[in-house]
Amino acid sequence: GAGVSQSPRYKVTKRGQDVALRCDPISGHVSLYWYRQALGQGPEFLTYFNYEAQQDKSGLPNDRFSAERPEGSISTLTIQRTEQRDSAMYRCASSLEGGGNQPQHFGDGTRLSIL
Amino acid sequence: GESVGLHLPTLSVQEGDNSIINCAYSNSASDYFIWYKQESGKGPQFIIDIRSNMDKRQGQRVTVLLNKTVKHLSLQIAATQPGDSAVYFCAENWDTGRRALTFGSGTRLQVQP
Repeated sequence: GAGVSQSPRYKVTKRGQDVALRCDPISGHVSLYWYRQALGQGPEFLTYFNYEAQQDKSGLPNDRFSAERPEGSISTLTIQRTEQRDSAMYRCASSLEGGGNQPQHFGDGTRLSIL
Repeated sequence: GESVGLHLPTLSVQEGDNSIINCAYSNSASDYFIWYKQESGKGPQFIIDIRSNMDKRQGQRVTVLLNKTVKHLSLQIAATQPGDSAVYFCAENWDTGRRALTFGSGTRLQVQP
């Protein structure tokens, strides 16, 4: 597709359940990022991949959060044993690899609500 | 769609006027900066970027100015249109090896017809 695609668009689940959020980056983009955005604020970094390698996971809040990108394309962010504080908009972005920084292009996000 | 920036600072301008949105960034080591536009229900949309070795960069109807001395970034929009109404975020990267963007708090731009 033309842009970053995220699914599902909305996810409502009960506290304690595991959830998996999917991101399909822009075709040809090597780098993929996960962010979390609270209402009224800018996105906050969670983790980043180059190809299939997770380069930085310093923003993941705790060990219930994990991410993978096994074939260097689609990525999944998994939250285990969800808690109400995990409720947020989760955004994925992708960028071209290259020397120096490249613009990150964002998807429309997955709105996660934990009951 | 969801509402973005419910309690953000707001800049209100008349259609056709020029808009200037300001941002103070936090880290003097930051070497890459981006402006994003975010409409309700949408993800941040890339507008323009600038590297620290530049102090000005122009795009279509937009100009970004960087003042490293006072750690200030501004976005100028020429001939503002109703479609420019959105929340605008500046973002910085202070560690090229890390690639994480740190976002500012955002400004809501309202264009009056």
